Amino acid sequence: QSVLTQPPSASETPGQRVTISCSGGTSNIGANYVYWYQQLPGTAPKLLIRLTNQRPSGVPDRFSGSKSGTSASLAISGLRSEDEADYYCATWDDSLVGVVFGGGTKLTVL
Amino acid sequence: EVQVVESGGGLVQPGGSLRLSCAASGFIFTSYSMNWVRQAPGKGLEWVANIKQDGNEQYYVDSVKGRFTISRDNPRNSLFLQMNSLKVEDTAVYYCVRGDTYHPDFDSWGQGTLVTVSS
Repeated sequence: QSVLTQPPSASETPGQRVTISCSGGTSNIGANYVYWYQQLPGTAPKLLIRLTNQRPSGVPDRFSGSKSGTSASLAISGLRSEDEADYYCATWDDSLVGVVFGGGTKLTVL
Repeated sequence: EVQVVESGGGLVQPGGSLRLSCAASGFIFTSYSMNWVRQAPGKGLEWVANIKQDGNEQYYVDSVKGRFTISRDNPRNSLFLQMNSLKVEDTAVYYCVRGDTYHPDFDSWGQGTLVTVSS
């Protein structure tokens, strides 16, 4: 059971917008920045969003992150088939004194 | 080009030991904290351990405390994970990851090395 809760799956059609949620608590999301990772099949994860809402160089502006209280979200607009992947949220947990990941959300582009 | 390359994975019996290595290149190794993150077959990501730039502070996930030790050799730009008293549930791909200590800003990942704990 992950400290951060994500829906196991999400799906949407090409060109549409999808949002993936990440729910935590006051010692993790409520107190720290949130990070998002994209993992394409058979590859290592890739940093998608840092510092809750900042895109690293090279990440399209179709990807955006936000946070409210103890929950965070990743939004992907203009969905493409190549966005089909697993997405993970992560943050530091002050109580556990370590990094915690969400369980991951498998995104299907229909 | 930033690169981290893991090695040392393999098959080990429960209760056994294994030492993973990670060779870093393309960046100033002493400027970065380093991490190990693992992924069990078909499962999600789990952070395992972190070590600060000078090697004087380490952090671990509870499930490996007392069994795993993270270390680094800065002159050789290398990161290590000594794994003792291995359990079946430690079976996973282990990634060497460049990143901060108090923020999972993991911007460079290796290709991973598979550790299989089985009798």
